[in-house]
Amino acid sequence: SAVISQKPSRDICQRGTSLTIQCQVDSQVTMMFWYRQQPGQSLTLIATANQGSEATYESGFVIDKFPISRPNLTFSTLTVSNMSPEDSSIYLCSFRQGKNTEAFFGQGTRLTVV
Amino acid sequence: KQEVTQIPAALSVPEGENLVLNCSFTDSAIYNLQWFRQDPGKGLTSLLLIQSSQREQTSGRLNASLDKSSGRSTLYIAASQPGDSATYLCAVWGYTGKLIFGQGTTLQVKP
Repeated sequence: SAVISQKPSRDICQRGTSLTIQCQVDSQVTMMFWYRQQPGQSLTLIATANQGSEATYESGFVIDKFPISRPNLTFSTLTVSNMSPEDSSIYLCSFRQGKNTEAFFGQGTRLTVV
Repeated sequence: KQEVTQIPAALSVPEGENLVLNCSFTDSAIYNLQWFRQDPGKGLTSLLLIQSSQREQTSGRLNASLDKSSGRSTLYIAASQPGDSATYLCAVWGYTGKLIFGQGTTLQVKP
């Protein structure tokens, strides 16, 4: 299976600033996703990263707050903009090759906003 | 709307015990169900994927079953070890094209 690399693994940021998280897969993948996991909670889908077009956002998430890029089939970034302490979470990227295949996840980015 | 529930929320067992984690989902229209393991503050590791047409999958000491009609899956862990301590998540991939997660079961295996 493809290897997925996510960075940074953790960061502590000041409120009002932005952080960009990178996700790199070592082979071309069809579907890439970004999730948020708030403390003590399960995973919530933020958006589906579409190659060459705008991401598809879930209810409650907007592009101005979480801009996503996917310039090719192996790479995507998620930016958390104008951060507040409520954005403190683990952010995870994920991919799968098709609807009947396994989903794989990156190592996660543990974000703390102070 | 698909909802996934995992019971129990937490479980503590002595080393060597066999145990069962439960997952239920409300909409049986799924492509597959996947079990993951998550260590504290880390990403998810895929354990087992069960296609909707399958009844079970096995990997080492792990066995996952799926009863799609009743909306249930179980993860059986044989001869538990302290290294099995983690949070176990189940997730279903439905026709909406999204992976929906349960809240997880946090397992502690005591030496």
